[in-house]
Order: sequence, then structure tokens, then C-alpha cells
Amino acid sequence: DTGVSQDPRHKITKRGQNVTFRCDPISEHNRLYWYRQTLGQGPEFLTYFQNEAQLEKSRLLSDRFSAERPKGSFSTLEIQRTEQGDSAMYLCASSPAGNEQFFGPGTRLTVL
Amino acid sequence: AQRVTQPEKLLSVFKGAPVELKCNYSYSGSPELFWYVQYSRQRLQLLLRHISRESIKGFTADLNKGETSFHLKKPFAQEEDSAMYYCALVPYNNNDMRFGAGTRLTVKP
Repeated sequence: DTGVSQDPRHKITKRGQNVTFRCDPISEHNRLYWYRQTLGQGPEFLTYFQNEAQLEKSRLLSDRFSAERPKGSFSTLEIQRTEQGDSAMYLCASSPAGNEQFFGPGTRLTVL
Repeated sequence: AQRVTQPEKLLSVFKGAPVELKCNYSYSGSPELFWYVQYSRQRLQLLLRHISRESIKGFTADLNKGETSFHLKKPFAQEEDSAMYYCALVPYNNNDMRFGAGTRLTVKP
């Protein structure tokens, strides 16, 4: 499968713990996006990378959230001191130049 | 602020009937608009985008700037069209894709 991959697919954690998710984009795609999706809603934009540069961040991305893409390939999204409100599906997408985005399967986070 | 509204959370039609999934947006500039689809147990995937003016799987969508709408239509629905459909907007010169809340389409036999 040469599509976007995300790891883990599911994560259950206790409130206050830190979690990290990984996204591997389609190779040659220089753009990478993170979204959060809660039940009954569409994906909400969190942040965007072009190569290794983080060019846009949503105001949804509080100080507890940080994302990196150190070598312009895979990306990580870390949530520190998780809260129950962080429970959601976290989606990653990548794209070549242009706006068509290819989505990964998502990481479902449950914070107890 | 840019906003995408899909007024119907659920839509049910019989096989062979026409289907229209509504999408309205608010944006003062020239957006790029998309329809994404998510079939059961599959990832979100692009169905069509307004600039390509294509018909994909029998679906079409026309951008109406006057009514700020981008409704998705298919003249004869098929059971395999049952899925979650999301309308999305990207503002001009931006990378912040805004999604609607989605419409779950069920095509009954």
C-alpha cells in the first residue's frame, strides 16, 4: 500500500498522559496536513507543512499540541497532558503541488 | 470567516432515484471547492473538485457563486453510493481546508 499511513490506528490513554502519533505521507508529496475529527463533524484543520516548514497552524492547536516534520518526510503530532476533550480521530493527509489531499486511515484517540 | 454548511445530516433515497446533496459556503473570495467521500471502513477520498468539471461515478457538482452553493448531484443513485459525503472549501492562496459536517447518504434497494 503506497498511500498515507498512520500509526497507531488506535490509542487509549489516561488523562494527563502524553501521546504521539506518526504520519507517513505518500513519497514525493511535499505537503502534509493534520486534522482532527470529532463525532458528527467534518475534519477540522490543525496544521500544515510544506517540506519541513510548518507554515500554518489553526487556533485549535493549543500549546499542548506540537507537530514536527523534521526531514520533510514523516510527521509526528504530540499532545501533552491529554484531556478528555482531546478524544477524536486524528487524520493526516498529504498532497503534491495543488490542493488534492490524500488522507490516511486516521488515529483514534480515547482519553479516559 | 470561511464556513461550509451541509444542511442534511442524513439523506435516504431508493436505488435509481435522483440524489442531491446540498452544500453552501460563505467566503467572499474565489474558493476552490471539493467533494470528499468516505465509504464504510475506508479512508476519506476525493470524489471531485469544481475546477476539473468532471463527472466521477456519475456525480457532478456545479459551483454557483451567486447562491454560494456547490451541490452534488447524481441522476440515478446506486446502492454502492451509500457513504458519508463531505463538502470542503479551500480559500484562495491558502491551505486551510474547511469541511462541512457531512451528509450520510443511504441508497435503499
